[in-house]
Amino acid sequence: RKEVEQDPGPFNVPEGATVAFNCTYSNSASQSFFWYRQDCRKEPKLLMSVYSSGNEDGRFTAQLNRASQYISLLIRDSKLSDSATYLCVVNPNTGFQKLVFGTGTRLLVSP
Amino acid sequence: DVKVTQSSRYLVKRTGEKVFLECVQDMDHENMFWYRQDPGLGLRLIYFSYDVKMKEKGDIPEGYSVSREKKERFSLILESASTNQTSMYLCASSQTGLNQPQHFGDGTRLSIL
Repeated sequence: RKEVEQDPGPFNVPEGATVAFNCTYSNSASQSFFWYRQDCRKEPKLLMSVYSSGNEDGRFTAQLNRASQYISLLIRDSKLSDSATYLCVVNPNTGFQKLVFGTGTRLLVSP
Repeated sequence: DVKVTQSSRYLVKRTGEKVFLECVQDMDHENMFWYRQDPGLGLRLIYFSYDVKMKEKGDIPEGYSVSREKKERFSLILESASTNQTSMYLCASSQTGLNQPQHFGDGTRLSIL
């Protein structure tokens, strides 16, 4: 079983739609969680950290479910510029600040 | 803002050459990382360092070495480049502590001919 698993997509949605991605992780001792965004042929960029109580940043909402070992990302009112690959990232708490990256979920927002 | 700078965006080398990829960060971060990213495989950790002159193997260290002589600089070395090392190489840095994300450089697209 992979440490971090994501649906690769692509998710094709129209502008203005709401879309949600889930990601599961295998290590119950994992302690930190993040969503990164990666545009084609560019570096990953931090989108948001995911806190136990859930958190929101504008149109983006992240949730953590420790019991079921998954995190989610909800994007409301999708924009064309949201088209990208979204990487789920977990610190498995194995020391040395290592992070484990999912292979990403591709989102395509169309006019 | 955190700035992680990689020395080259694009690089073309020949099989058997020794290749150096340089990475510099300006935020006094303790931890630095080298990844490669290939289609369908995601980011794979090659080596990382949590302090000057310290290094740890990641998941795919074979064929690579690293050097960290100064806190801000982390170099990746391909000892004898091979075609299967053609990839996107990404450097990252982070602070030590809970909930610390990693910050990436622009990446180097390396082609080995």
